Amino acid sequence: DVKVTQSSRYLVKRTGEKVFLECVQDMDHENMFWYRQDPGLGLRLIYFSYDVKMKEKGDIPEGYSVSREKKERFSLILESASTNQTSMYLCASSQGGGNQPQHFGDGTRLSIL
Amino acid sequence: RKEVEQDPGPFNVPEGATVAFNCTYSNSASQSFFWYRQDCRKEPKLLMSVYSSGNEDGRFTAQLNRASQYISLLIRDSKLSDSATYLCVVNRNTGTASKLTFGTGTRLQVTL
Repeated sequence: DVKVTQSSRYLVKRTGEKVFLECVQDMDHENMFWYRQDPGLGLRLIYFSYDVKMKEKGDIPEGYSVSREKKERFSLILESASTNQTSMYLCASSQGGGNQPQHFGDGTRLSIL
Repeated sequence: RKEVEQDPGPFNVPEGATVAFNCTYSNSASQSFFWYRQDCRKEPKLLMSVYSSGNEDGRFTAQLNRASQYISLLIRDSKLSDSATYLCVVNRNTGTASKLTFGTGTRLQVTL
């Protein structure tokens, strides 16, 4: 089974803090993704990466950055957290090539106070 | 128009009933399709892929109509444990990594 592990299930931070969310997958997948999920809006793609040190913006990249120094690890960074970044954050991975399903981690519920 | 549209429900059905969900997508270039299941406060989990010829997995049947750009999911003999939100997902290959677009989900509640 694919295992995608996110570092925290729940996280509370303050406005203006720099926040790191970590994600690790154990299936040697090429692709990794970060989403946020909000009520009524569904999952929205923030950033994705198709290889080590490669990254592409998703649909809502503003206020976020990412890092992929190793194939198994994909980090999401909130440079200066704001209250509108309170959300459920989901990491996913998939095999390379087209048309592959994605496998999700448990999610991190992040609250910015 | 949203890229992927679903009826949010909820669909309230008794145990043993058959229930069907539809989903429409706007991008005719979309290449592959999935149904995911998401339980409350949990991550989405792949339920099944949807193939052009239609496919079945136990009590679940998925169908794709490319001409009309819709996907369906049929659940037969509903169980209490089927209660969840079902996400219609369309995969559009960007050329670098396959990108998924998610519908906002259809909620199913199966009752005694």
